[in-house]
Amino acid sequence: AQSVTQLDSHVSVSEGTPVLLRCNYSSSYSPSLFWYVQHPNKGLQLLLKYTSAATLVKGINGFEAEFKKSETSFHLTKPSAHMSDAAEYFCVVSGYNNNDMRFGAGTRLTVKP
Amino acid sequence: GAVVSQHPSWVICKSGTSVKIECRSLDFQATTMFWYRQFPKQSLMLMATSNEGSKATYEQGVEKDKFLINHASLTLSTLTVTSAHPEDSSFYICSARDVWAHYEQYFGPGTRLTVT
Repeated sequence: AQSVTQLDSHVSVSEGTPVLLRCNYSSSYSPSLFWYVQHPNKGLQLLLKYTSAATLVKGINGFEAEFKKSETSFHLTKPSAHMSDAAEYFCVVSGYNNNDMRFGAGTRLTVKP
Repeated sequence: GAVVSQHPSWVICKSGTSVKIECRSLDFQATTMFWYRQFPKQSLMLMATSNEGSKATYEQGVEKDKFLINHASLTLSTLTVTSAHPEDSSFYICSARDVWAHYEQYFGPGTRLTVT
């Protein structure tokens, strides 16, 4: 079975400063990893995904994440936060053929003006 | 890109009644669909895996007689909440998996259920 742990339930940054949302995973085999964003009362939007190709994954809206097997981590970063980035972010791990997707608890990102 | 729709997007029902939520893959066939539940300010929890033409597989702790899932075609899965109670109020999200797109899962926009 696989699981993810999002290390921060809430992250607050100022507009224009870097964003770091941390995620550690546990999997008995080579996982697929995802980051999704959810704005209030909205559905999920896929930011990026890792599927055993390049370890540095670039996503939409300037986000990227690096898969580090030695650290079992898949942290999400963005060089400069924008007010519109304020939302809930979920780290997700899935098994073979994307069976059994498991969501982390979520990290709420607040962006201060 | 692949699109998954859900209907209705928002429903209010009275306690004791049943409500059906539809999940459709609009431009691809999905042999497998998934149903998730999200309580306010919480994460998504997988409820069940729905396979076309066969019985759904429910996660531990999910009452299969309360949450009836039917996957009668390759583009439609339905979740029926039977004898709904206020504690069933939640955000229900489905996803559909496209085997021809490296088993990518595409999520629907969600259905907010409020039971009064």
